[in-house]
Amino acid sequence: GENVEQHPSTLSVQEGDSAVIKCTYSDSASNYFPWYKQELGKRPQLIIDIRSNVGEKKDQRIAVTLNKTAKHFSLHITETQPEDSAVYFCAATYGGSQGNLIFGKGTKLSVKP
Amino acid sequence: DSGVTQTPKHLITATGQRVTLRCSPRSGDLSVYWYQQSLDQGLQFLIQYYNGEERAKGNILERFSAQQFPDLHSELNLSSLELGDSALYFCASSVGPNSADLFGQGTRLTVV
Repeated sequence: GENVEQHPSTLSVQEGDSAVIKCTYSDSASNYFPWYKQELGKRPQLIIDIRSNVGEKKDQRIAVTLNKTAKHFSLHITETQPEDSAVYFCAATYGGSQGNLIFGKGTKLSVKP
Repeated sequence: DSGVTQTPKHLITATGQRVTLRCSPRSGDLSVYWYQQSLDQGLQFLIQYYNGEERAKGNILERFSAQQFPDLHSELNLSSLELGDSALYFCASSVGPNSADLFGQGTRLTVV
């Protein structure tokens, strides 16, 4: 079946360094790719998203890149801060519907002061 | 509160029982989405409603059903509960039919 692979499962960086999380997807019809941040015991929060007609999108310290040919997309966080510590989930649409998302397994990011 | 409201926050029930989870979307939002989050399955999309109509369906079991009412609140019904149904159930909403952008705090269901 369709799936989204996310790597790495855990990532530890020093404050101020950059962090990169990568995802690959299998459904060639996927056209929307959101990223969610979930702090411990809290709800997922949409932090950035990208649509298939765009190759890159940036919002302050966060950027997402998309390579449709290779079917992979990545989250880049620059100048990491301790409050960036959380689990990050990527997702991709499935079956042509933007509401129907398949999620990666998550990346636990730890930013050490 | 203009966010997404889910009730109850916690629910403990026995196997074989039926429960109903409730979600009130953010004011003005027409779409409601339901997700299940468990340790072994991760985050899974269950179902989406837009303005009262089913819009998309994900990995929702036949024992589960949902609906969106005219006032746009939604209910997720889980029946013949099994131990494996223990999970966090999130509701999310959005203005349009496209993608969830605001999640509720979730309902933690424990089946014993």
